[in-house]
Amino acid sequence: EIVLTQSPVILSLSPGERATLSCRASQSVSNFLAWYQQKPGQAPRLLIHDTSNRATGVPARFSGSGSGTEFTLTISSLEPEDFAVYYCHQRSNWPVSFGPGTTVDIK
Amino acid sequence: QVQLVESGGGVVQPGGSLRLSCVASGFSFRTYGMHWVRQTPGKGLECVAVIRDDGKNEYYADSVKGRFAVSRDNSNNMLFLQMNSLRAEDTGVYFCAKDTGMFQWLADSWGQGTLVTVSS
Repeated sequence: EIVLTQSPVILSLSPGERATLSCRASQSVSNFLAWYQQKPGQAPRLLIHDTSNRATGVPARFSGSGSGTEFTLTISSLEPEDFAVYYCHQRSNWPVSFGPGTTVDIK
Repeated sequence: QVQLVESGGGVVQPGGSLRLSCVASGFSFRTYGMHWVRQTPGKGLECVAVIRDDGKNEYYADSVKGRFAVSRDNSNNMLFLQMNSLRAEDTGVYFCAKDTGMFQWLADSWGQGTLVTVSS
């Protein structure tokens, strides 16, 4: 099973700042890495799939990069609605797996 | 737009059974794979089962293999999860989710979830 590790656990930033979230895989997942956003009481929302492709309706301030075992989600300038928990997800091998999440909260 | 509505959650004793249902609308259900994903205090997000668009292939998480069974009714746009021999660690919110394709193992639309509590 591929284990995903996310850092940092908590990222405290102000609106307008740049957020950089990391995800590391225990073995290569090629480019089959996705990012989800979850707000309290809501289901996860797909943001990025296959490393760098924004899902439908996702603003351009969200971008993804990486390959193999190291991946990054960048939010170029935080909006108030971006404060949430972010999960990475791999679908390279079964079982698919999610990371433990990074909380982006307001500083 | 895509809508997924889960039902069937509740409180059940250890060793008991529950059947979750999900009704889908707003897309061509029979042409997409479907997922059940749970969120538990212990393990976070975990994909417990996926089923191919035609229902002819299914994958399960090791933690539920042999106890849970996923199925679908493409005539009525319904997805099901039969859960047997339930354990305390199965407690959590269960989401029904739509695959991005026939069987891509990636979910792009989710329901709001149904809470399952396993407790005596």
